[in-house]
Amino acid sequence: DQQVKQNSPSLSVQEGRISILNCDYTNSMFDYFLWYKKYPAEGPTFLISISSIKDKNEDGRFTVFLNKSAKHLSLHIVPSQPGDSAVYFCAASLRGAGSYQLTFGKGTKLSVIP
Amino acid sequence: DTEVTQTPKHLVMGMTNKKSLKCEQHMGHRAMYWYKQKAKKPPELMFVYSYEKLSINESVPSRFSPECPNSSLLNLHLHALQPEDSALYLCASSQTDRLSSGNTIYFGEGSWLTVV
Repeated sequence: DQQVKQNSPSLSVQEGRISILNCDYTNSMFDYFLWYKKYPAEGPTFLISISSIKDKNEDGRFTVFLNKSAKHLSLHIVPSQPGDSAVYFCAASLRGAGSYQLTFGKGTKLSVIP
Repeated sequence: DTEVTQTPKHLVMGMTNKKSLKCEQHMGHRAMYWYKQKAKKPPELMFVYSYEKLSINESVPSRFSPECPNSSLLNLHLHALQPEDSALYLCASSQTDRLSSGNTIYFGEGSWLTVV
């Protein structure tokens, strides 16, 4: 059973516009959420994270929103740039004893069109 | 500096070979990880080392043998692998193995392994 879901396998956005990547989770014990970006043939690069005590975290062009009641988070990239084209993974970790484990979504491939 | 360095970047080995993947970090992190990633799939956790001791083994076959010689180094010894073990092997580290806000896992670029 998938506990972290990224229901859109791919997304295309025009350069300069906003990219919104979505992630849903089912386990209410998740308390820390991360977004990673992955280019082909490279390891995932940490982008931004959010703790469950917050509902928004911003870092430059990247903003993550967390809606705990809906068990939903989203990553906003604005403005989108061609270099943002990559696969984006949402990940979550549990409170307490299981907190070493990152549960990843299957990823969303973002294509930013010049 | 959030760098995790992995060598080699590419490795081709036969099913009877013995080889090793190496990982290094100098961020003072006390937790190190091996993940395996197949194409179009998310990373899967294999092993967790915490303070140089193996704390988690996610039911990985014994043909994969991890080793943590010191707090900066992590090896993955490979022996008698199968073609289906071909994948991207990712090393990662974090300050401790308790993930929380401010304690994030950082990944290396990975080692592409092909078993022939």
